[in-house]
Amino acid sequence: DAGVTQSPTHLIKTRGQHVTLRCSPISGHKSVSWYQQVLGQGPQFIFQYYEKEERGRGNFPDRFSARQFPNYSSELNVNALLLGDSALYLCASSLAMDGKETQYFGPGTRLLVL
Amino acid sequence: GDSVTQMEGPVTLSEEAFLTINCTYTATGYPSLFWYVQYPGEGLQLLLKATKADDKGSNKGFEATYRKETTSFHLEKGSVQVSDSAVYFCALSVSQAGTALIFGKGTTLSVSS
Repeated sequence: DAGVTQSPTHLIKTRGQHVTLRCSPISGHKSVSWYQQVLGQGPQFIFQYYEKEERGRGNFPDRFSARQFPNYSSELNVNALLLGDSALYLCASSLAMDGKETQYFGPGTRLLVL
Repeated sequence: GDSVTQMEGPVTLSEEAFLTINCTYTATGYPSLFWYVQYPGEGLQLLLKATKADDKGSNKGFEATYRKETTSFHLEKGSVQVSDSAVYFCALSVSQAGTALIFGKGTTLSVSS
């Protein structure tokens, strides 16, 4: 079975632009989470979706938004990009969301904002 | 709030040496604990996990025991290999509104032959 897939793998944008990142979960997984990993740091939680509803949100500004589609794939949108948004964006999927489940990560999208 | 603290790196070892990476946590509920590994240029892979106190997670020669009394989940391996060189992240998950993983800052391990 395919793992979590993300697209694109790399992206270069300029300040003020908008970006959309995409994620396809492992088949059968209904929960998708997004994380931001700045160079040299651990991943920071942005959003979690389960059954197409937002179930958790991290401490990120409203410029960040996301949604989950009926096939459980997900998009992360970032508006008005800042230099500080440059990071590796990771998507993770899981079967459930009971706190004990394993989250499986994709390879990430590396975003560079110039 | 909930948090994870890992020992600062980098950790540099010779092949076949013993590895310990310390991890302690603060959590208001009863967290599940995880170790993830990140190889250069890749995403995170689950290494092992433990979901309740005194559980021991193990995988590929790595072990960690969930110690509630010391709020710790230290990662150990008896004999490291060059292929173990990577960044290791300790994380916790508490089931509240959503089940976000909270990560430590990561510990870089470099193993030389």
